[in-house]
Amino acid sequence: EAGVAQSPRYKIIEKRQSVAFWCNPISGHATLYWYQQILGQGPKLLIQFQNNGVVDDSQLPKDRFSAERLKGVDSTLKIQPAKLEDSAVYLCASSLTGAVYNEQFFGPGTRLTVL
Amino acid sequence: QQPVQSPQAVILREGEDAVINCSSSKALYSVHWYRQKHGEAPVFLMILLKGGEQKGHEKISASFNEKKQQSSLYLTASQLSYSGTYFCGTEYGGNTGKLIFGQGTTLQVKP
Repeated sequence: EAGVAQSPRYKIIEKRQSVAFWCNPISGHATLYWYQQILGQGPKLLIQFQNNGVVDDSQLPKDRFSAERLKGVDSTLKIQPAKLEDSAVYLCASSLTGAVYNEQFFGPGTRLTVL
Repeated sequence: QQPVQSPQAVILREGEDAVINCSSSKALYSVHWYRQKHGEAPVFLMILLKGGEQKGHEKISASFNEKKQQSSLYLTASQLSYSGTYFCGTEYGGNTGKLIFGQGTTLQVKP
């Protein structure tokens, strides 16, 4: 079974530029999550989708971050404009919806460096 | 609301045991445990539900004390491959999937 795919793996941009990350979840997983992991910290949930609807985006900085999951499968997370403090690893995860054991499976992440 | 993990770091010799704790200030629905190696994605280890059900790896054990609002992860007869950072993720209010992760516990196993 293929895991969660993410691209790119690394990205370096200047502050005030824009960047986009892509995620393809495990087949059949209706729930998709985007996390931000700053060095030395645990992952922080940015947004949770169920199919193509947003379940929770309470911690998403909506003035600069946006995310979409148009067909209920792939998802894109965008930052525009980027700030220095956005330097982090952006992790995508997916899980089965409604399962008793809703363990999340993480992708390899995108390491973003903002200069 | 972020759970508190203890200790922050542990150094072990192969074959030794370790316990990592995760404490919450409010009532838990479930606790998820993950291990993350440097530069890699977190990997699922164990999930413990309110009421006693759990699912996880054979060689990993954990407990969930609902009254104390805490969970402990037990690593016995540690191997070099156990090295990494362990995170607990806490879920509140029901099967929402929304996890709040602790700050992590770094485990180093030496030969």
